[in-house]
Amino acid sequence: DAGVTQSPTHLIKTRGQQVTLRCSPKSGHDTVSWYQQALGQGPQFIFQYYEEEERQRGNFPDRFSGHQFPNYSSELNVNALLLGDSALYLCASSSAAQTYTDTQYFGPGTRLTVL
Amino acid sequence: KNQVEQSPQSLIILEGKNCTLQCNYTVSPFSNLRWYKQDTGRGPVSLTIMTFSENTKSNGRYTATLDADTKQSSLHITASQLSDSASYICVVSGSEGSQGNLIFGKGTKLSVKP
Repeated sequence: DAGVTQSPTHLIKTRGQQVTLRCSPKSGHDTVSWYQQALGQGPQFIFQYYEEEERQRGNFPDRFSGHQFPNYSSELNVNALLLGDSALYLCASSSAAQTYTDTQYFGPGTRLTVL
Repeated sequence: KNQVEQSPQSLIILEGKNCTLQCNYTVSPFSNLRWYKQDTGRGPVSLTIMTFSENTKSNGRYTATLDADTKQSSLHITASQLSDSASYICVVSGSEGSQGNLIFGKGTKLSVKP
């Protein structure tokens, strides 16, 4: 049973470029959440996708967008990259059917460096 | 403002010793509280999850407690091992069934030395 997978593991971009990160949820999960984790900080919620729609969104600008596919996998897109976008981007999956005791399973993350 | 505060920020202990990490929160309404372990450069791994009615939960050498009245939680690690070196993150869910409303603490960085 595969857990949450993310690709790529590392990425280096320059300011102004665009980037796409990918996530495949754990088998049986239908909900994907994305987080940004700066060095030494806790993860910050970006948004959550369920049934191919953005269900909730954190305090991130419109440069951050996403998509969920029919197979529940998801992409995070960031446009016009800034130096401050350098971080570990985490994807977490869960099941919408499990609410009170659900646990989000995190992927290994994608380390994005913006030069 | 919904916040999760963790202490200490970092901790160094000797292998075999016990330690306790603290988490205070101001999140309301409250649904559940989770503790995660995060190795450097890796994704967090869930240790425990507790709802309002639970005041203690164990997972091997890890024991979490919750006092919903004082809005405090602790994570106790018994007989620490070198592999326990990691950041431990306290996460509070602010709404029932809302997986997106997770408020993360900044974590406690634990170093276990031989």
